[in-house]
Amino acid sequence: QKEVEQNSGPLSVPEGAIASLNCTYSDRGSQSFFWYRQYSGKSPELIMSIYSNGDKEDGRFTAQLNKASQYVSLLIRDSQPSDSATYLCAVRGRDDKIIFGKGTRLHILP
Amino acid sequence: KAGVTQTPRYLIKTRGQQVTLSCSPISGHRSVSWYQQTPGQGLQFLFEYFSETQRNKGNFPGRFSGRQFSNSRSEMNVSTLELGDSALYLCASSLGGEGNYGYTFGSGTRLTVV
Repeated sequence: QKEVEQNSGPLSVPEGAIASLNCTYSDRGSQSFFWYRQYSGKSPELIMSIYSNGDKEDGRFTAQLNKASQYVSLLIRDSQPSDSATYLCAVRGRDDKIIFGKGTRLHILP
Repeated sequence: KAGVTQTPRYLIKTRGQQVTLSCSPISGHRSVSWYQQTPGQGLQFLFEYFSETQRNKGNFPGRFSGRQFSNSRSEMNVSTLELGDSALYLCASSLGGEGNYGYTFGSGTRLTVV
């Protein structure tokens, strides 16, 4: 059973600080990796995708991928109260299925 | 550009009934995937359709089925409803085909089985 693991949180981070969210996956043949943000009562929204080892930056968000260690992380710089949400890690495996982790609840403290 | 449209938004059904949910993907998107979301299990993959063919299937019983039409619209059917089927059902569309594409999700259908 392929798995995507995330710490459920809540992760509390002061406003303006860096929030660091982590995810590990079991399928070594996984091809692509995604981070989604889900506000309470809303559907998930894609915020980052990454396919190669290393870092990918988009505004205040940086996704990091390490295939050898089978982990992917998301850094949010200058955290804002509006970043408070559940962050879902998703992995496309070699069978092309996209499997989601259960999410990490992030709370930005004003 | 219109997003992913799911209908209906809310449904209340009785155990043993069946239900059909509908999803219209973003124009030009040929892949539609369905997920069940519950507080305890998170997002669980049901199936994916691409160009009217089921391309992938999750670990759900045969009571859960789907199909995709030539205009890429998709329907999901659940027969003989059980209380445990109460969940948010999310449809997601993507370009599909070759390449790595993320999903765009619809607003979901909230199904309550009583």
